[in-house]
Amino acid sequence: GNSVTQMEGPVTLSEEAFLTINCTYTATGYPSLFWYVQYPGEGLQLLLKATKADDKGSNKGFEATYRKETTSFHLEKGSVQVSDSAVYFCALSDRSGTASKLTFGTGTRLQVTL
Amino acid sequence: DSGVTQTPKHLITATGQRVTLRCSPRSGDLSVYWYQQSLDQGLQFLIQYYNGEERAKGNILERFSAQQFPDLHSELNLSSLELGDSALYFCASSVGLWNEQFFGPGTRLTVL
Repeated sequence: GNSVTQMEGPVTLSEEAFLTINCTYTATGYPSLFWYVQYPGEGLQLLLKATKADDKGSNKGFEATYRKETTSFHLEKGSVQVSDSAVYFCALSDRSGTASKLTFGTGTRLQVTL
Repeated sequence: DSGVTQTPKHLITATGQRVTLRCSPRSGDLSVYWYQQSLDQGLQFLIQYYNGEERAKGNILERFSAQQFPDLHSELNLSSLELGDSALYFCASSVGLWNEQFFGPGTRLTVL
């Protein structure tokens, strides 16, 4: 079946540091890949997505590239801010069968300090 | 604000009881999904409805059921509640079967 593996957290960075959160996946077919962010006490927000190999998703300074050869979708940001502190979830959606569900990783908590 | 609304925001109940969680999708969205977020299981897909019909089932217990009504809102019914059912329950919606999903703020269920 499908699965998503994320690096363990928490990740603690100083403001303006470079961020990488690793994500690898296992899937049949050609999944779409997503990063969602969950701020404290809130629901999930779609951060970025990529629907095919070599696509790069980007939003709010965050980027991730769909790498089919390494089955990866690592999240990066060049300079993090305190406001980026949240839990980040990597997910995939496999368009097989008659429906589309999201399979999530375990989440990585990011804490950014001044 | 995603446009997906969920009520109630918090729910506290006792073991053995039954509760109903409600979700209103974004205007124009035909698909509704339910997910459970717990500390030990993480985020898990429960069930999907599209235009009133069940389309996919995940790790949903037999004690749980859901439906989507003609006005496209959805309800998730949880019965014979156990302590382990305490979790955040999210609803998400999408325009069609394959489009990106937008999540509501969740309902936090506490079973005492």
